[in-house]
Amino acid sequence: QVQLQESGPGLVKPSQTLSLTCTVSGGSISTDSYYWSWIRQPAGKGLEWIGHIYASGRTNDNPSLKSRVTMSLGTSNKQFSLKLSSVTAADTALYYCARGNHGLAAFDIWGQGTMVTVSS
Amino acid sequence: QSALTQPASVSGSPGQSITISCTGTSSDIGAYNYVSWYQHHPGKAPKLIIYEVSNRPSGVSNRFSGSKSANTASLTISGLQAEDEADYYCNSFTTSTYWVFGGGTKLTVL
Repeated sequence: QVQLQESGPGLVKPSQTLSLTCTVSGGSISTDSYYWSWIRQPAGKGLEWIGHIYASGRTNDNPSLKSRVTMSLGTSNKQFSLKLSSVTAADTALYYCARGNHGLAAFDIWGQGTMVTVSS
Repeated sequence: QSALTQPASVSGSPGQSITISCTGTSSDIGAYNYVSWYQHHPGKAPKLIIYEVSNRPSGVSNRFSGSKSANTASLTISGLQAEDEADYYCNSFTTSTYWVFGGGTKLTVL
């Protein structure tokens, strides 16, 4: 059974770069059947898709984030990462990693989420 | 691309049925049958309950059903149970090749 777990600093200073890692257990990210995704939820607001990365390394990200997003794969086929640059208080949110499933056109497995606060 | 529009809250009594709407545009919901719905109990991971407008993943109760007409998708929960109390989010692929979510609907079981 595939499970996802986010990890990373819970506090980031304004203008710095937010970095998160998602660890995949019970499976591998080395298949094009899935797209490995990041989604966030600011307090009291809805979900926002940040972007995703394929096993090939190809990425897609939300244009609203104005090219601040960098995603990468880990060396072990068990991790993928997110970097969000030039953060502001508006980037404070609960960040989820999720598995996008091509066969379902949906996000079928989610991590529990990790809270990131942007504050000096 | 704006978020999809959902009612902020809906409520119903145990045993009743409720429907949550999700309104988009011809560039998202109206363009593809790639609409999915998620149930989210705060503090837990969101759970996929409907994919491709009306399909249920294995293990999801048949009390959950989905549909779509033009630019609006709908989630119906029949035979409401206390455990259904949660936040519900819709999601759609867009013609700009990215994903957009709804603002979420809080379901209260009275």
